[in-house]
Amino acid sequence: KAGVTQTPRYLIKTRGQQVTLSCSPISGHRSVSWYQQTPGQGLQFLFEYFSETQRNKGNFPGRFSGRQFSNSRSEMNVSTLELGDSALYLCASSLVQTNTGELFFGEGSRLTVL
Amino acid sequence: GESVGLHLPTLSVQEGDNSIINCAYSNSASDYFIWYKQESGKGPQFIIDIRSNMDKRQGQRVTVLLNKTVKHLSLQIAATQPGDSAVYFCAEGKAGTALIFGKGTTLSVSS
Repeated sequence: KAGVTQTPRYLIKTRGQQVTLSCSPISGHRSVSWYQQTPGQGLQFLFEYFSETQRNKGNFPGRFSGRQFSNSRSEMNVSTLELGDSALYLCASSLVQTNTGELFFGEGSRLTVL
Repeated sequence: GESVGLHLPTLSVQEGDNSIINCAYSNSASDYFIWYKQESGKGPQFIIDIRSNMDKRQGQRVTVLLNKTVKHLSLQIAATQPGDSAVYFCAEGKAGTALIFGKGTTLSVSS
């Protein structure tokens, strides 16, 4: 069974640009969560989608958005990039909406903003 | 084995020792607590969880202890191996809400 797949794995952008990251969950998983990981802040929750609906949202500005498609694949978008957006963006999937804690993480998309 | 009373960002042990990684959580209403392991270049990997109505749970070479009185969680790794070297995160959750991760502890195992 394939794991969670995130693309691209690495990307470099400049301030002011926008970026779209993609996540394909494990087959059969309907819930997708996104986290931002930085050395200083650790793992911070961005949002969670279940059945194409955003169920939970973290404390991030409106520049961060996401969506989920009918096949459970998810994308997140960051507009007007800032230097502080440089981070590892992790996607995690689970069978149902988070209620047991067992998330399956992808290897992440490492974003560098110059 | 070596243990730490409070959360420390790093823990160094010798191969074969027992390791204890500690974590303080914030929400007394959390339903469950989880430990994740993150190896370099990879995403976090689920190790073990414990529900709030339990105080101990054992897995293969790992034991998680929960002390709700002081909102403290610990992960014990028996006979630590070089392959256990990674960053360990605790996380807390409640049904219908997102998992909240704590600060990680980097475990270094020397042979």
